[in-house]
Amino acid sequence: DIQMTQSPSSLSASVGDRVTITCRASQSLRRHLNWYQQKPGKAPKVLIYSVSTLQGGVPSRFSASESGTDFTLTISSLQLEDFATYYCQQSFLIPYTFGQGTKLEIK
Amino acid sequence: EVQLVQSGGGSVQPGGSLRLSCAIPGFIFRGYEWNWVRQAPGKGLEWVSYISSSGTKIFYADSVKGRFTISRDNAKNSLSLQMDSLRAEDTAVYYCARDVAEPDCGADCSYFDYWGQGTLVTVSS
Repeated sequence: DIQMTQSPSSLSASVGDRVTITCRASQSLRRHLNWYQQKPGKAPKVLIYSVSTLQGGVPSRFSASESGTDFTLTISSLQLEDFATYYCQQSFLIPYTFGQGTKLEIK
Repeated sequence: EVQLVQSGGGSVQPGGSLRLSCAIPGFIFRGYEWNWVRQAPGKGLEWVSYISSSGTKIFYADSVKGRFTISRDNAKNSLSLQMDSLRAEDTAVYYCARDVAEPDCGADCSYFDYWGQGTLVTVSS
C-alpha cells in the first residue's frame, strides 16, 4: 500500500497568513495526488486534484505543487472560512490512501 | 446543489449487520465509479471500497474484506454497502463518494468530487 505522510498534524495561524501543508508519498504517484478540505460535521470537499489543478469554484489563494514524492498545499492569505482540516489523498493505486490530516486553527 | 442522500446507519451490536444506501441523481451516477469512505470519531479519512461503473470491478480495504459487500443498482441510481460481522472498530461516519477519472477530469487524474452527507454507524454492546 502507498503510505501518505502529512505534516504538520495541526497548525495555528492568523487571518492573512500564508500557510503550507506537506504530504510525502512512499512511492511515485504519477500526478494522482489530491487535496481535500473538511469542516466539522461535513463531508470532505475537493480543492485540488492531479497535484495542482484547482477544482471549479475554489479560490485562487489555494495552490499546490510537487517535488518528486513530496507535495505541498499553500494557502496564500488565510481567510476565516479556511479554518478546517485538510487531507491529501493518493488515487494512483487502490487501496486509495489519505494523509493523517492537518487541522488548521485560528491563532 | 446536487444532493446524494445516504440512509441506513444506526447502532448495532458486535457481530451484527447493517446496510447503507446512497441515492444519487442519475446524471451524476451513471457511467461513474463509486466508493465508500469512512471516518472514525475524531480520526482521519479511510477508504473502504470501490466499484466500477459496470459493477464488474470491486475492491475492498483489507480491514473490511470478507465482511463488507459493495453493490450498485444502475436502474435505480443507487449505491449500497452491506456490512456484516461488524466490529467496534467499524464505528465511523460512512460517506459515499464519486470517483471521477480520466478522461473526464483530463489526464493523470482521479479524485472524489461528489460526496454523500455521511451516515453514522455505531457498533457497541
